[in-house]
Amino acid sequence: GENVEQHPSTLSVQEGDSAVIKCTYSDSASNYFPWYKQELGKRPQLIIDIRSNVGEKKDQRIAVTLNKTAKHFSLHITETQPEDSAVYFCAGFKGSGYALNFGKGTSLLVTP
Amino acid sequence: DGGITQSPKYLFRKEGQNVTLSCEQNLNHDAMYWYRQDPGQGLRLIYYSQIVNDFQKGDIAEGYSVSREKKESFPLTVTSAQKNPTAFYLCASSIGRGHDTEAFFGQGTRLTVV
Repeated sequence: GENVEQHPSTLSVQEGDSAVIKCTYSDSASNYFPWYKQELGKRPQLIIDIRSNVGEKKDQRIAVTLNKTAKHFSLHITETQPEDSAVYFCAGFKGSGYALNFGKGTSLLVTP
Repeated sequence: DGGITQSPKYLFRKEGQNVTLSCEQNLNHDAMYWYRQDPGQGLRLIYYSQIVNDFQKGDIAEGYSVSREKKESFPLTVTSAQKNPTAFYLCASSIGRGHDTEAFFGQGTRLTVV
């Protein structure tokens, strides 16, 4: 199936700094790229997504960029807060008939 | 209250036993999925189903079985052939049509072999 690589596996930033998580994918047919946040002991929840016909999308302090040529996409969190501490997963999706393929996750720690 | 529900939250299994994890959704979603989560491994796809009475193997299907007799339900059986079943299991569902579709997750079942 689609291979989604995610880096880094752990990330520690100080409150107020920015955090960037990067993912690459192998299948050029992938056209939808969601990001999920999983807080400790809870289920993953969608925080932002991007479609292949868009290069960038922003929602308040979070943004996602997509480079289709290079097959990579990134999550950017600005002005980080302690409540941003969680595990973040990227995923790739080829469309109906397929399943989401997830990266291995990034554990983000925001220290006060 | 709409959503996707997994039960039980915690499950203990003796070696050599089969065990079934329940997943029910009332979102009228066509597609349902089972993922396994291990520390540092992310979410690995076990099985998925796009429509009733049809399902496909994911990347780590060996030792697992599923059924999709009803749209609302997608139970996962962990068989004795699964050599390392201790893990956190997540069920998800999505509309299943089109090129962009949000997956909604259940709260998970933590399975421990004793």
